[in-house]
Amino acid sequence: EPEVTQTPSHQVTQMGQEVILRCVPISNHLYFYWYRQILGQKVEFLVSFYNNEISEKSEIFDDQFSVERPDGSNFTLKIRSTKLEDSAMYFCASSQEGLGNTGELFFGEGSRLTVL
Amino acid sequence: GQQVMQIPQYQHVQEGEDFTTYCNSSTTLSNIQWYKQRPGGHPVFLIQLVKSGEVKKQKRLTFQFGEAKKNSSLHITATQTTDVGTYFCAGRFEGTYKYIFGTGTRLKVLA
Repeated sequence: EPEVTQTPSHQVTQMGQEVILRCVPISNHLYFYWYRQILGQKVEFLVSFYNNEISEKSEIFDDQFSVERPDGSNFTLKIRSTKLEDSAMYFCASSQEGLGNTGELFFGEGSRLTVL
Repeated sequence: GQQVMQIPQYQHVQEGEDFTTYCNSSTTLSNIQWYKQRPGGHPVFLIQLVKSGEVKKQKRLTFQFGEAKKNSSLHITATQTTDVGTYFCAGRFEGTYKYIFGTGTRLKVLA
């Protein structure tokens, strides 16, 4: 069964450093998302991406964050100058909207970011 | 802003008891999805509801979408230990494609 894959599974970084989280969405999906979940809390929307551009973003997704689809398969989230409060699990998700599809979000297993 | 709330936040039940979680939106939803997240896992899609008043069943799970498309519920009959996890609703508002997740209900089932 096709799945969304994310790397790394866990990253520890010093405050102020840049991190890049990588995702390989399901190959025929057209919509890509990043969500984050602070331990034990709700799943927060960060950004959605369609047709090679950001379609929507939340207030959390400020200038510190950026997304890119550098090639046909990878979808990356870059966090510049990390802060302690960026520590969270970051989930990538993809979906296939359209006729006959529910538009369900397929989530990867997540990348846990720890900022020290 | 667009918010989706769930109650209760936590629920502990004895195995075999029923469980219900309620989801409420600040504004009308285009559609709503439900996800289950096992401890240490990622959200896994359960179902999508689109129509006003829609009811769908999956074995012991019953999902409802309110007439006004602002609330939804998930009911589990005769819970089992495998039902343990956090249940999230995720609503999509008119004119958007993003899903806003509810605050979640963490279910513990005592054997």
